[in-house]
Amino acid sequence: QVHLQESGPGLLKPSETLSLTCTVSGASIHDYFWTWIRQSPGKGLEWIAYISSSGTINYNLSLRSRVGLLIDTSKNQFSLQLESLTAADTAVYYCAGLKIGIGVGWFDPWGQGAQVTVSS
Amino acid sequence: DVEMTQSPSSLSAFVGDRVTITCQASQDISNLVNWYQQKPGKAPKVLIHAASNLETGVPSRFSGRGSGTEFTFTISSLQPEDTATYYCQQYDNLPYTFGQGTQLKIK
Repeated sequence: QVHLQESGPGLLKPSETLSLTCTVSGASIHDYFWTWIRQSPGKGLEWIAYISSSGTINYNLSLRSRVGLLIDTSKNQFSLQLESLTAADTAVYYCAGLKIGIGVGWFDPWGQGAQVTVSS
Repeated sequence: DVEMTQSPSSLSAFVGDRVTITCQASQDISNLVNWYQQKPGKAPKVLIHAASNLETGVPSRFSGRGSGTEFTFTISSLQPEDTATYYCQQYDNLPYTFGQGTQLKIK
C-alpha cells in the first residue's frame, strides 16, 4: 500500500519561506507524478504544482513566482518551497500522487496533510 | 482557469435517499472530471474518475455522469457513513481546479 507523509514546520512568520517534504513508501518515486495541493477555508482546494522523477514540472501560475519543487529519487522524497509567505498561505498542505496520461489525471494517493499557519 | 461551479453547497438527507450533486464547468472539458469524498480531518479520496468510472473498492451506490460542461454525482441510497464533503475536479486544463464542495449531512 502506498503511503505518503508530509513533514515540515507548522508555524511560520510573514515573509518567511515554507519548506515541506513528502516521503513516499510502498511505491517507487518513478511510478507517479508528485503533486502538492493546499486547502484553506477561504480558497478551498488549490492545486499548487507537480513534479516527475525525470524533472518535469508544472505550476499553478498564480503561485509560480514563489514556488520551488525538488525531487530526491534516492530517498523517495519530493519537496515544496513557498517563498514570501503571507497569512493567505495559511492552509493544510497535502502531497499526493498524480497519474497523468490520455484521459488520466486524478490525485491518488494522498498524504494526511500538514497544517501550516503563517502568523507574526 | 476552468471554474468549477458546484451545487448545492450543502444538503441534508435521510438514510436511503437518493442524492445528486452537480458541477458546471466554465468551458467544455469533455469527460475529464473526478469526484472526491473528504471526511473531517482526512485527505480527499477519489471515488469516480473520468466522469463515470468508479474507483476500485468504492461502493456501487456512488455514480457519476456527464460530459462537456455539466456533470452529476449521485448516491443512490444514502448511508450514514456517506456524511462528508464532496468535490469535483477537472483535469482538462492546467491549473487543475476543484469545485467549492458540497457538505452532505444525514438528517
